[in-house]
Amino acid sequence: GAVVSQHPSWVICKSGTSVKIECRSLDFQATTMFWYRQFPKQSLMLMATSNEGSKATYEQGVEKDKFLINHASLTLSTLTVTSAHPEDSSFYICSANTGTEPYEQYFGPGTRLTVT
Amino acid sequence: AQSVTQPDIHITVSEGASLELRCNYSYGATPYLFWYVQSPGQGLQLLLKYFSGDTLVQGIKGFEAEFKRSQSSFNLRKPSVHWSDAAEYFCAVGAYSSASKIIFGSGTRLSIRP
Repeated sequence: GAVVSQHPSWVICKSGTSVKIECRSLDFQATTMFWYRQFPKQSLMLMATSNEGSKATYEQGVEKDKFLINHASLTLSTLTVTSAHPEDSSFYICSANTGTEPYEQYFGPGTRLTVT
Repeated sequence: AQSVTQPDIHITVSEGASLELRCNYSYGATPYLFWYVQSPGQGLQLLLKYFSGDTLVQGIKGFEAEFKRSQSSFNLRKPSVHWSDAAEYFCAVGAYSSASKIIFGSGTRLSIRP
């Protein structure tokens, strides 16, 4: 089946630094990838939709200059949290659509970000 | 705009008892509906999905869900729960396309009473 990986699985960074999270589709090409954020005991909130070779589409309220998304290839999308602050600490999950029916989205295992 | 409502924040059932988790959606077109399960600190696992066809959908781990268009509902059921079913359950809705985003409900936490 389709597999999506994320790296790293967890990361701790200091306030003010930037951190990059990778999302890879391992055995399929994904023209569209999605980034979600999940705070403790809350649901997944869509942050942005990432299309290969074009700018990401951000959801309302998500700072595009803070959460930089790059989708340079059909198998890789990256999320960079710039100038991270403790309130950015969260579980970040990506997903990828196979682009073919039944258009199922496959989710990565998530990345736990802690900003100290 | 699409939305999903899961009215039950937390449900506790006894092991071996039946389970029903409620989900109501709002969507302007034919919805693509999902149920996911998430264990603490883990990623999501797809239990089942529905787009068309038989309105009673069978999933993994003995779960099933029924799509009721007239009620805009997609409730998840299991006839007999196991202690390992304790987790967070999310209902989600999207469009049947390659570029469709999925919107999640707020989740229902399931606890199992021994």
